[in-house]
Amino acid sequence: DAKTTQPPSMDCAEGRAANLPCNHSTISGNEYVYWYRQIHSQGPQYIIHGLKNNETNEMASLIITEDRKSSTLILPHATLRDTAVYYCIARSLVQSSASKIIFGSGTRLSIRP
Amino acid sequence: GAVVSQHPSWVICKSGTSVKIECRSLDFQATTMFWYRQFPKQSLMLMATSNEGSKATYEQGVEKDKFLINHASLTLSTLTVTSAHPEDSSFYICSAPGTGHYEQYFGPGTRLTVT
Repeated sequence: DAKTTQPPSMDCAEGRAANLPCNHSTISGNEYVYWYRQIHSQGPQYIIHGLKNNETNEMASLIITEDRKSSTLILPHATLRDTAVYYCIARSLVQSSASKIIFGSGTRLSIRP
Repeated sequence: GAVVSQHPSWVICKSGTSVKIECRSLDFQATTMFWYRQFPKQSLMLMATSNEGSKATYEQGVEKDKFLINHASLTLSTLTVTSAHPEDSSFYICSAPGTGHYEQYFGPGTRLTVT
């Protein structure tokens, strides 16, 4: 899986959009971009994934650049409950449908009131 | 979505004893499960891949004789920390891939404290 690079920490005001960047310049054509988050003392939670098109679900939006070398996770209206560590992962599903996930260091997002 | 549970959620044990942690997929079957360990303020570190009906695959540097993994059914994997020491104190998390193959579902974690 391609290496991803994320800023170690960010903060955002409550109610504003939180934009979390991720660089994955060596991503290959069959690798998806996944985002998970981990709230303190809990297991990680799946947020969203995409291949090359922008994606949106009830939790977030994922914007992938045209060259696929970077992406941005957008939490449209951040709340205090969004305070967590966010992990960006490049993952191929071609290798195995049950492929393991290797976590990087992630971005620690703090939402301030 | 699919649910993965872990038991116990926290455990305190004395040094030298063994501790078993269970990971269950509640509403789906999982032929593969993954075990992670997480120290404070660090990321999750993959320890091993648990395979139903066969031996687990351990990541480099993880002692297979110390961290015994058994995947006896399609819904249960267990991790036994043998002869636990204080340095084994950590947050242990399991996961299982969903039937859609796009997601992995994580358990809530087990906090182990060895005194």
